[in-house]
Amino acid sequence: KAGVTQTPRYLIKTRGQQVTLSCSPISGHRSVSWYQQTPGQGLQFLFEYFSETQRNKGNFPGRFSGRQFSNSRSEMNVSTLELGDSALYLCASRLGQPSYEQYFGPGTRLTVT
Amino acid sequence: GIQVEQSPPDLILQEGANSTLRCNFSDSVNNLQWFHQNPWGQLINLFYIPSGTKQNGRLSATTVATERYSLLYISSSQTTDSGVYFCPTKSGGSNYKLTFGKGTLLTVNP
Repeated sequence: KAGVTQTPRYLIKTRGQQVTLSCSPISGHRSVSWYQQTPGQGLQFLFEYFSETQRNKGNFPGRFSGRQFSNSRSEMNVSTLELGDSALYLCASRLGQPSYEQYFGPGTRLTVT
Repeated sequence: GIQVEQSPPDLILQEGANSTLRCNFSDSVNNLQWFHQNPWGQLINLFYIPSGTKQNGRLSATTVATERYSLLYISSSQTTDSGVYFCPTKSGGSNYKLTFGKGTLLTVNP
């Protein structure tokens, strides 16, 4: 079974632009979560989607948003990019209750210049 | 929310040595996982271990939920074991957010 896939793998954007990242979960998994990893803050939870509904959101500004489609694929959008948004963005999928184990994708490395 | 403290923060070994990584938690442990982050950034699942002991080859893990800690044992380390190890746990309640510590950076030298 294919793992979690994320596209693109690398991205360079300019401050003020917006960006959309994509995540395809493991087949059959209904939950998708997003995490941001930076050297200073480590790994931080952004949000989780389950059956197209946002279930939980981390402590990030409203510039960070996401959605999930009926096939469980998820997108994350960051508007008005700032230099501090440069990070590795990781997506994780989970089968759904009662399974709690999460599986991560390879990540998208975003650089904001 | 729950706090995850990992020790040691850095560990340097010679190939073939054994090591123990530890995670302490500030609250009840829920659905703990161990991951290895490879040099390319991907988090590789090692164990899903909310309690008890599991083994997979040279790696084994033990979680003592009542005492709020988990251990990862690496025996006969190899250079490919290098990377950062994390032991996130789910926060309490109905959400499925994983809370991460700062990780243990393991370097295995040939």
